Amino acid sequence: GAGVSQTPSNKVTEKGKYVELRCDPISGHTALYWYRQSLGQGPEFLIYFQGTGAADDSGLPNDRFFAVRPEGSVSTLKIQRTERGDSAVYLCASSLTVTSDYNEQFFGPGTRLTVL
Amino acid sequence: AQSVAQPEDQVNVAEGNPLTVKCTYSVSGNPYLFWYVQYPNRGLQFLLKYITGDNLVKGSYGFEAEFNKSQTSFHLKKPSALVSDSALYFCAVRDPRVPGSARQLTFGSGTQLTVLP
Repeated sequence: GAGVSQTPSNKVTEKGKYVELRCDPISGHTALYWYRQSLGQGPEFLIYFQGTGAADDSGLPNDRFFAVRPEGSVSTLKIQRTERGDSAVYLCASSLTVTSDYNEQFFGPGTRLTVL
Repeated sequence: AQSVAQPEDQVNVAEGNPLTVKCTYSVSGNPYLFWYVQYPNRGLQFLLKYITGDNLVKGSYGFEAEFNKSQTSFHLKKPSALVSDSALYFCAVRDPRVPGSARQLTFGSGTQLTVLP
């Protein structure tokens, strides 16, 4: 079946602008994760959804970052007043849950965000 | 807090030779451990995981990893490397004792594997 998809694949914006990044998880996966990967680093956790609710948003760096998953499927990561330091690849992952917490996560190809 | 270390930024190996990519972890209890591979301009792909049981775990594409609790390591191995194995490899850990909904993975910084023909 189809994997995790993310759009756009690349996004170039100017400092101070607002951006939205979209993630479409694997059908049937109730858990959805957002990570951020900076150059030369491993992915860093941002937020985790179980269904429609954000079960853990402890990785969001500040209140400029927000994510939603209104129907428990597609998720949107929103970044307000972008800064040059927000430039990174934003990865989305999904997994089966609920009864076990060791299911592997399936990653999308990422959105490369560049803030000029 | 959980953490992962990949001590080698770069590993080079000749095709046909065995390869090892190193990973050590730090968690308060028994960890869940994962290996992922990342090819250029593509998302991370799951290779294998250790949850419990046999310390030697077999995964995709002929890779395996050995969990060593006393050394807190989870090194990735393959008996005979292929040029197509050249990619960026990430080790990740989750501490199952972290309460509540903290299900995120903590990743290492990655190891670039280059298999030379």
